[in-house]
Amino acid sequence: NAGVTQTPKFRILKIGQSMTLQCTQDMNHNYMYWYRQDPGMGLKLIYYSVGAGITDKGEVPNGYNVSRSTTEDFPLRLELAAPSQTSVYFCASSYLLGTGELFFGEGSRLTVL
Amino acid sequence: TQLLEQSPQFLSIQEGENLTVYCNSSSVFSSLQWYRQEPGEGPVLLVTVVTGGEVKKLKRLTFQFGDARKDSSLHITAAQPGDTGPYLCAGARNAGNNRKLIWGLGTSLAVNP
Repeated sequence: NAGVTQTPKFRILKIGQSMTLQCTQDMNHNYMYWYRQDPGMGLKLIYYSVGAGITDKGEVPNGYNVSRSTTEDFPLRLELAAPSQTSVYFCASSYLLGTGELFFGEGSRLTVL
Repeated sequence: TQLLEQSPQFLSIQEGENLTVYCNSSSVFSSLQWYRQEPGEGPVLLVTVVTGGEVKKLKRLTFQFGDARKDSSLHITAAQPGDTGPYLCAGARNAGNNRKLIWGLGTSLAVNP
C-alpha cells in the first residue's frame, strides 16, 4: 500500500503564481486534511473533507482552495501565491474524524519568492 | 491562544539520559495522540491514550494520560541518537457533531552521542 502520496515534494513559486498540490490516498478513508507546518508553529489545519463532494475550512483557509471529486484525491490549490505561504504542506487521511489515527504524506516544501 | 501547551519546545540531551515531554491544557480531551516526525517525512502515530490515568509503554517510551484527561506526558528512558526528531501531541475534542484534533507546537529533541 502506498498510503498517502503527495506531489510535488519541492516547488519554488514566484509571487502571484498559482499551483496545485496533489494528494491521493489508497486506504479508502473518508476523511482527508491539508495542514501547513511552519518552524516552531506546529501543524495548522487549512481545509478538510469528510467525503467526496464535501469540504470545509480549517484554521487558516485564506489563500487556498480545495476540491474532493473522489474519495482518493484531495488537491490543494494556491491562488496568487504570497511569501506568507512559504511552508511545508502535509496531506493526511483518517478512518475516523478527529479521533482516529492520521496517516500523513511525506510533505510538499513550497517556497514563494 | 494555544489550547494545547507542549513543553519544552527544544531539548538537547546526551545519550543515555532520561527526558519527559509534557502536553497540558485546561480543556478535557476524549483522547490524546503522540506522533513522531522523521526528517523529510510526515508525522507517524506512536500511541493513542484514551482513559484517564492510562499508561502505555512502547519500548523505552512511556506515555501517560492525566486522570482528568487534560494533560499527557511522554517519558523516554536512556535516550539514544535515533530518538532525535520532533515529537507532536494532538488532543481530540468533541464539539457537537464535529470532532477536532488540537495540536501542540511540538518538541524538537536532539540526543547527542
